[in-house]
Amino acid sequence: DTGVSQDPRHKITKRGQNVTFRCDPISEHNRLYWYRQTLGQGPEFLTYFQNEAQLEKSRLLSDRFSAERPKGSFSTLEIQRTEQGDSAMYLCASSWGRGHSEQYFGPGTRLTVT
Amino acid sequence: QQQVKQSPQSLIVQKGGIPIINCAYENTAFDYFPWYQQFPGKGPALLIAIRPDVSEKKEGRFTISFNKSAKQFSLHIMDSQPGDSATYFCAAFSGSRLTFGEGTQLTVNP
Repeated sequence: DTGVSQDPRHKITKRGQNVTFRCDPISEHNRLYWYRQTLGQGPEFLTYFQNEAQLEKSRLLSDRFSAERPKGSFSTLEIQRTEQGDSAMYLCASSWGRGHSEQYFGPGTRLTVT
Repeated sequence: QQQVKQSPQSLIVQKGGIPIINCAYENTAFDYFPWYQQFPGKGPALLIAIRPDVSEKKEGRFTISFNKSAKQFSLHIMDSQPGDSATYFCAAFSGSRLTFGEGTQLTVNP
């Protein structure tokens, strides 16, 4: 499988707990993105890495959220002190080439905060 | 602030029909316009995309029409099939991010 992979696919957690998600991009892609998608809505941009550098963060990414891409390969997204409003699908995408345009998405991690 | 407006919210057609989904944008900095298809529980899959210097692009049964002056673009699905039943999202790219429309839930009846 040469696509974007995400782990876990589903996560149920209690409010106040910390959670961490992992994304493995397509191997030759140097750009990696995180998006959040709530039910019935389109994905919303959270943050973007070029290699290991985090170059842009959305205002949606509160200080409880942190993302890393330590070696320019896989990335992790951590949410601290989860809230019920954090319940969503967290999507990772990657891209390569002349533009950031052709972004390929993974299957997502569905987070439910109870 | 919704920067990409998509309509309709839902659409039902018969097999063989040609569903049309429309999107409009305001930000003239957008320079790439992809369409994604999403099935329940799956991530969005890139279908087809267009740049603003082109007025139409066809890939298989999917066609994008682009009107730069009106800041509108649309997706046409020719000879639609029940397997095309999914949610479709238009998007627009600027800088480093994609901005998505709210999605259209398409149902193709047999």
